[in-house]
Amino acid sequence: QKEVEQDPGPLSVPEGAIVSLNCTYSNSAFQYFMWYRQYSRKGPELLMYTYSSGNKEDGRFTAQVDKSSKYISLFIRDSQPSDSATYLCAMTITGANNLFFGTGTRLTVIP
Amino acid sequence: NAGVTQTPKFQVLKTGQSMTLQCAQDMNHNSMYWYRQDPGMGLRLIYYSASEGTTDKGEVPNGYNVSRLNKREFSLRLESAAPSQTSVYFCASSERAGGTEAFFGQGTRLTVV
Repeated sequence: QKEVEQDPGPLSVPEGAIVSLNCTYSNSAFQYFMWYRQYSRKGPELLMYTYSSGNKEDGRFTAQVDKSSKYISLFIRDSQPSDSATYLCAMTITGANNLFFGTGTRLTVIP
Repeated sequence: NAGVTQTPKFQVLKTGQSMTLQCAQDMNHNSMYWYRQDPGMGLRLIYYSASEGTTDKGEVPNGYNVSRLNKREFSLRLESAAPSQTSVYFCASSERAGGTEAFFGQGTRLTVV
């Protein structure tokens, strides 16, 4: 079993839709949670960073962590064609030397 | 502000050839990392350097060596390339150890034939 599971999609939505992207994990010690956006043939770009449980909002993006369910989500409101990319979740624990990544969900927002 | 710069962007090698991938960051970060990204596998850590002068193996280190030349630069060397090393390689850096809030380079697409 992988430490981090992420549905690869692909996911296609119309412009303006609310998008929900999710990851589950098995290691209850994970404390730091990140979402990266990766455009085709580019490097991952940090989008959101959350410590422990709760919600964090940044513009149209909301990151949510539910440690009791070992489940994290990224919501994108009013999705735009420019949001079309692969979204990677990542997480780690204090003292670790590594990020544990999901395999990524490919999102397409159709104009 | 360039962030993390990798060279080259593309490379084709023959089996058995060697090459070095270069990485430099200008954010004064202590920690640097080399990842490979393969379809369906996600990003996997090859080697990391928590600080200047130290390097350690990650999840998939076999067939690779690294050098932390100074605080800015972290290179990855393939001594004898194999087709299984065909991948996209990313260098990353972070202020804190562990990779939280890591910044990534644009990647090197390597094909070994």
